[in-house]
Amino acid sequence: DAGITQSPRHKVTETGTPVTLRCHQTENHRYMYWYRQDPGHGLRLIHYSYGVKDTDKGEVSDGYSVSRSKTEDFLLTLESATSSQTSVYFCAISDVGTRNTEAFFGQGTRLTVV
Amino acid sequence: GQQLNQSPQSMFIQEGEDVSMNCTSSSIFNTWLWYKQDPGEGPVLLIALYKAGELTSNGRLTAQFGITRKDSFLNISASIPSDVGIYFCAGPRGNTDKLIFGTGTRLQVFP
Repeated sequence: DAGITQSPRHKVTETGTPVTLRCHQTENHRYMYWYRQDPGHGLRLIHYSYGVKDTDKGEVSDGYSVSRSKTEDFLLTLESATSSQTSVYFCAISDVGTRNTEAFFGQGTRLTVV
Repeated sequence: GQQLNQSPQSMFIQEGEDVSMNCTSSSIFNTWLWYKQDPGEGPVLLIALYKAGELTSNGRLTAQFGITRKDSFLNISASIPSDVGIYFCAGPRGNTDKLIFGTGTRLQVFP
């Protein structure tokens, strides 16, 4: 798993509640990513970070925010969860960026919004 | 935005057969990555390609970076049951490090 830990691994929450997912890495990699995976859509990029406090939006960023206050942690927050955000969420890390090297993935967090 | 189209969407093959799948885009990519995902797990990198025309092997897997830079191919020779999974192509979008993925090819191998 290239030193990536996602927490929690599973969560059920109610519509309208805030939810925060955590990605922790021990590799000291600069780049960190959040994806969601849904049937028929593959993996879609939500947000990514290219350094501490440096983040940018991905393809499906609406309804999500992120924070990166230190190299090892990248937090994904759903301010007010909706049923359409039921998904499997994956975190990934990359050392010098995916133009030059690969990204490594965590094991995923399964989120159900009821 | 950029999209990566994978084909076929799914394949059902017999153990021992060879497999071919591809990934195409309307835009140029400078890096192609091929991942495999097992059920309940995160994607794992199989092969990385960084140069147009590059042909790279990893055991029974061979991938090629298309000369037009708009496509890539993955071949698996002599398939075995543990090849079952979803195969994704991926690449950084434009001149950024935003890694985007294709929709995947689901492979089933029957003994």
